[in-house]
Amino acid sequence: DVKVTQSSRYLVKRTGEKVFLECVQDMDHENMFWYRQDPGLGLRLIYFSYDVKMKEKGDIPEGYSVSREKKERFSLILESASTNQTSMYLCASSVAHQGTGELFFGEGSRLTVL
Amino acid sequence: DAKTTQPTSMDCAEGRAANLPCNHSTISGNEYVYWYRQIHSQGPQYIIHGLKNNETNEMASLIITEDRKSSTLILPHATLRDTAVYYCIVRVAQRPLVFGKGTRLSVIA
Repeated sequence: DVKVTQSSRYLVKRTGEKVFLECVQDMDHENMFWYRQDPGLGLRLIYFSYDVKMKEKGDIPEGYSVSREKKERFSLILESASTNQTSMYLCASSVAHQGTGELFFGEGSRLTVL
Repeated sequence: DAKTTQPTSMDCAEGRAANLPCNHSTISGNEYVYWYRQIHSQGPQYIIHGLKNNETNEMASLIITEDRKSSTLILPHATLRDTAVYYCIVRVAQRPLVFGKGTRLSVIA
């Protein structure tokens, strides 16, 4: 079974801190995605990557950056966390160029910024 | 990607079929219909997808109208564990999924 693992289920950080959210997948997927989910707003795409060292902005990239140095790992970085970044963050991966790209999601990381 | 319209919420009796509708009247020829669901506190889970033909797998059936402007996800024998938010998404293969608000399905004992 595909496994997408997010490093922390729950994090509490202070305003202004640098925050790293890590995501690792074990099925050699080319594509990886970061979403955030907020009540009433649903899931919104932050960044995605179709290959190592590649990144593309999603719908709400402001305040975030990403890193994809290895195929299996996709990191989401909050350079200076703010309270409006309190949210559930979901990582996903999918195979490229095969079928129609079913997404596999991790369990999520719930971040609280105080 | 084409937009979709789903009811906000639905109830279904346990053991009965749950039929979840989705309208996607602006769908284009190369866009697939995907269904995902999200059980509380978990990441979304893929259910099924289709292009033109009806599809069935171990979880559900997907019925797409001939003009492709709407579809229905069918859970043949709903259980309490099927209580979740169900998302209907239309997209070109390999493009990122864009989630709407989905339908909150409550399966009632």
